[in-house]
Amino acid sequence: DGGITQSPKYLFRKEGQNVTLSCEQNLNHDAMYWYRQDPGQGLRLIYYSQIVNDFQKGDIAEGYSVSREKKESFPLTVTSAQKNPTAFYLCASSKQTRDNEQFFGPGTRLTVL
Amino acid sequence: DAKTTQPPSMDCAEGRAANLPCNHSTISGNEYVYWYRQIHSQGPQYIIHGLKNNETNEMASLIITEDRKSSTLILPHATLRDTAVYYCIVRVVSSTLGRLYFGRGTQLTVWP
Repeated sequence: DGGITQSPKYLFRKEGQNVTLSCEQNLNHDAMYWYRQDPGQGLRLIYYSQIVNDFQKGDIAEGYSVSREKKESFPLTVTSAQKNPTAFYLCASSKQTRDNEQFFGPGTRLTVL
Repeated sequence: DAKTTQPPSMDCAEGRAANLPCNHSTISGNEYVYWYRQIHSQGPQYIIHGLKNNETNEMASLIITEDRKSSTLILPHATLRDTAVYYCIVRVVSSTLGRLYFGRGTQLTVWP
C-alpha cells in the first residue's frame, strides 16, 4: 500500500538532546512538509521541500533542521535550540500540481522531559 | 495567517446531515477552498476542495456562495466516525507549492 510513515509514534527525550524524526513516503511525491501541532491548535509549517536536495523554511523553522537527500525521505531534527519542543509533529507529501492534495502521516508525539 | 473563520464546535445526531460553515471573506480570485479533517491524534485527511462551483465526492459536498466569501461542507449522513476537527483552508491555486494555513477548525461531535 502507498502512504506516508512516521516513526516512532511516541518519543521521549531529555532536555538538551537533539532528536531526529523519520518521515518516509512511497507515493512518488516531489513535495514534502513538516508541521507542528500544539494542543487545541491548528498545524504550523516548519519546513518544506519541493525537490530533492532543496528545502525552505516555513513559519516556525527556528530550532529545527531538515535534509532531503532522497525523494522518499524527509527527516526532521529537533535541536536543543528549540525552546519548547514538546508537540505533535506531522509530515505530509503532495504532487507538484496546482490543485494538489496533501497526504499526512500518522504523526510523532515528542515529549521532552 | 489562516484566512478563514469557523465556529469552534458543532454537534450533530448520527444519520443526520452535518453542515459546517466557513467564512473566507477576503478570499482572492486565485484561491481554492480546501477542507481537511483530523481525528484525534491522527494526521489530517483531505476531504474536498473547490474554486467556485459546488463539488461532491464520496465523502462530502462543498457548497461555495456565489461571491465566494463563504462555504459550507456537508456530510450528508453523519456517523460516529465523522467526529473530528474540520479545517477550512484557502490556498493560492497559481502555485504548485501546497502551503496550507491551518486555523483551529471546528470540532464536530456526532452523537448516537
